[in-house]
Amino acid sequence: AQKITQTQPGMFVQEKEAVTLDCTYDTSDPSYGLFWYKQPSSGEMIFLIYQGSYDQQNATEGRYSLNFQKARKSANLVISASQLGDSAMYFCAMRVRSNDYKLSFGAGTTVTVRA
Amino acid sequence: DSGVTQTPKHLITATGQRVTLRCSPRSGDLSVYWYQQSLDQGLQFLIQYYNGEERAKGNILERFSAQQFPDLHSELNLSSLELGDSALYFCASSVEGGRDYTDTQYFGPGTRLTVL
Repeated sequence: AQKITQTQPGMFVQEKEAVTLDCTYDTSDPSYGLFWYKQPSSGEMIFLIYQGSYDQQNATEGRYSLNFQKARKSANLVISASQLGDSAMYFCAMRVRSNDYKLSFGAGTTVTVRA
Repeated sequence: DSGVTQTPKHLITATGQRVTLRCSPRSGDLSVYWYQQSLDQGLQFLIQYYNGEERAKGNILERFSAQQFPDLHSELNLSSLELGDSALYFCASSVEGGRDYTDTQYFGPGTRLTVL
């Protein structure tokens, strides 16, 4: 079975500092995709970044980067130079063939950026 | 703005009623997915349509049904509503049929359903 674990329910970070959100996953399938989404208080789900299981390099998208450690089955999201607008819930998700490619989500981590 | 549109944004109704949620995918996307987000269940995949055909099913109740029309917009029908159906319902779309782990899903703004 596939499982996504986000162990940090909530985090505080000072503006302009970096923050790392943990995500571990469990699958025996060698081919999978990992995704991070942001959900602000307004409710919409915003796609941030993608990492494929065969990607040799860690994914980056602007201030977002993914620290992918395949052997440890972790895909941590790093947000650099935090801004007040980064305050939101962040979800880690995975797609894998053995789950019929359904997108499975973790429980999420709430980030609050302090001025 | 993801390019996925959902209407209505908010819906308040009574138990036992039936509602229809509507979704238009991004231009060029053939797949539409429906999700339910509630406090106790988190984000749950309900159902996927690809180019008008049902492609995958998740934890969708028998009281719920969906379809995708020839113009690729989709509707989620919820009937015999119960208090526990109150949730945020998302539609997402992607280019491919979903049988590819690299295929990114883009979400709409959601419809917040309140059942009183």
